[in-house]
This record gives sequence, structure tokens and C-alpha cells, in this order.
Amino acid sequence: GQQVMQIPQYQHVQEGEDFTTYCNSSTTLSNIQWYKQRPGGHPVFLIQLVKSGEVKKQKRLTFQFGEAKKNSSLHITATQTTDVGTYFCAGMEGYNFNKFYFGSGTKLNVKP
Amino acid sequence: GAGVSQSPRYKVAKRGQDVALRCDPISGHVSLFWYQQALGQGPEFLTYFQNEAQLDKSGLPSDRFFAERPEGSVSTLKIQRTQQEDSAVYLCASSLVLVDRGQYNEQFFGPGTRLTVL
Repeated sequence: GQQVMQIPQYQHVQEGEDFTTYCNSSTTLSNIQWYKQRPGGHPVFLIQLVKSGEVKKQKRLTFQFGEAKKNSSLHITATQTTDVGTYFCAGMEGYNFNKFYFGSGTKLNVKP
Repeated sequence: GAGVSQSPRYKVAKRGQDVALRCDPISGHVSLFWYQQALGQGPEFLTYFQNEAQLDKSGLPSDRFFAERPEGSVSTLKIQRTQQEDSAVYLCASSLVLVDRGQYNEQFFGPGTRLTVL
């Protein structure tokens, strides 16, 4: 069955350092979404990637979708304390747009 | 505007009790999802509605779980004879667009209901 694996599970960085989380699927995805969940909060949508090899940027955040549409990454440049939270990828298989498989998340802690 | 709301925010149930969790999606949103999130884990898909039709319920863990959205708006997730393993945060999410490849279908999540079964 569909599985979405995410690494690392935890990442502790000093403010100003870069951060990357990786998402890998056992099957080809039609699209992938990224969410951020602050401690005690609920997931908040960041971005959706659809095309093979797609790269999107949001200020210090860079999102990539692999050529084979089986992996994705989120890279944050020069982390800030406001980046603290858990980052989840959510992949969809096929084009039914009805079932997302979430990764287990990468918990980011940023030390000031 | 108002986001997705869920009630109650916290629910403590004794093992064997029935519970009902409510989700008010964003007005006009066609798609509605229920997820179960265990501590330290990602949300796990339970079921999906397109308007009032439940198109996918493959994630419901057992026949004790039942969801409905009778008028295509508010949805209720019911858990019968709760067990300790049902303890989790139950998240509801809604999405505006229907289906089409490549279309933006951002999910808007509610705050969740934290269920604790004693």
C-alpha cells in the first residue's frame, strides 16, 4: 500500500542555519502538499507541487518535487525562531483527490 | 472569514461510551476530510466527503467509526463503544475545489478534537 516516509524525525538547528526535510513515497504521486504545524496547533497549508521536477519558492522556503514524482523536499534558508514547528508532507496517489497520505513529520527546533 | 471549526475541543470518555465529534467546514467548501492524529505522528486519513456523498471511508479503523454529512455542510464523526486506542486528536479539513488534475486544493484544517478514552 501507499506509504510516505519523512526524514529526519527531529532537527535541532541554531538560528541562521539551514534546514532540510525529505519526503519519499513508495509509489508515484500525482501531487504533494506541505504543511506546517506549530506546537499545539493544527496543520497549515504551505504549498502544493504537481509537476515532475517542479521547484517553488516562498521567501526563505524552497520546495522541490522529484523527477519521478516519488520524492520531495523542503529547504529553509537561514532559519528563524518563527520557523519552529513540525513540517509534514502529504502525498496523493492518482487523481481522485480524495486521499492524502501524510508523512510522520519533521520536528524543527531553532535555538536563538 | 471564519475558518473550520470543531467541537468539542476536548472530550474525555469512559471506555465503552459513544462519542460524537462535530465539524463545521468553511462555507461553500465541497470537500471534507477527517483525519486521526496520534501523538507525534502525522494525520492519518479516515474518510472523505464530496458534498453529502461519502466517497472514501477506507481509513476508518473499524465498524465502530461512522461519519456523515447529510446536507453537504456540517459533518459528524461518531465513535461507538470507545476504546483506549481511540485516544487521539481528530482533525477535520475542508477544501474548496472539487477534482481536477493540477488544481489547487489546499486543505484548511480545524483546531481538532482531542479525545481521551479512560
